[in-house]
Amino acid sequence: GDSVTQMEGPVTLSEEAFLTINCTYTATGYPSLFWYVQYPGEGLQLLLKATKADDKGSNKGFEATYRKETTSFHLEKGSVQVSDSAVYFCALTHNQGGKLIFGQGTELSVKP
Amino acid sequence: EAQVTQNPRYLITVTGKKLTVTCSQNMNHEYMSWYRQDPGLGLRQIYYSMNVEVTDKGDVPEGYKVSRKEKRNFPLILESPSPNQTSLYFCASRIRQGTDTQYFGPGTRLTVL
Repeated sequence: GDSVTQMEGPVTLSEEAFLTINCTYTATGYPSLFWYVQYPGEGLQLLLKATKADDKGSNKGFEATYRKETTSFHLEKGSVQVSDSAVYFCALTHNQGGKLIFGQGTELSVKP
Repeated sequence: EAQVTQNPRYLITVTGKKLTVTCSQNMNHEYMSWYRQDPGLGLRQIYYSMNVEVTDKGDVPEGYKVSRKEKRNFPLILESPSPNQTSLYFCASRIRQGTDTQYFGPGTRLTVL
């Protein structure tokens, strides 16, 4: 079945460092891909999405490119801030199914 | 304000005592679902509903029930909770089945003793 694998956390960075959180997926067909963010004590918020190969999703300085050839959707940010500390989830869904399939989440901690 | 609300936010209960977690959305969304979040496992879907009176099992439905009598509400029922249902629960909704953005509630942290 479909699955999503994220890099293990926690990830600890200093402010203004470059961030990469790896995400790879296994799926039939052409799923849509998402990154969700969960700030402490809150629900999940959509951070960005891409619905077809080579699409780049971007929001709040974060970017991710849908790479069909490597089945990846890595999250990047050029300069992280303390306020980016959160848990990040990579997820996929198919048009027909509607269900979101999540990776295990990666905790990011940014130190001043 | 468009939102998904859940109640209660925190609940501690004992094994076997029936409970209901409510979920409500004010966006007229057709599709609603419940997930549970466990460390190292991410979120897994429990049940979903594509519209009023239409519900189906997700990946981990055992021990849970749902109903969808009104479009805005989608309660999660645990008829006889057990300690392995201790988890963080999220309700979510989207306009319809498909790739539309999914909106999540704030979560309900349930502890079953």
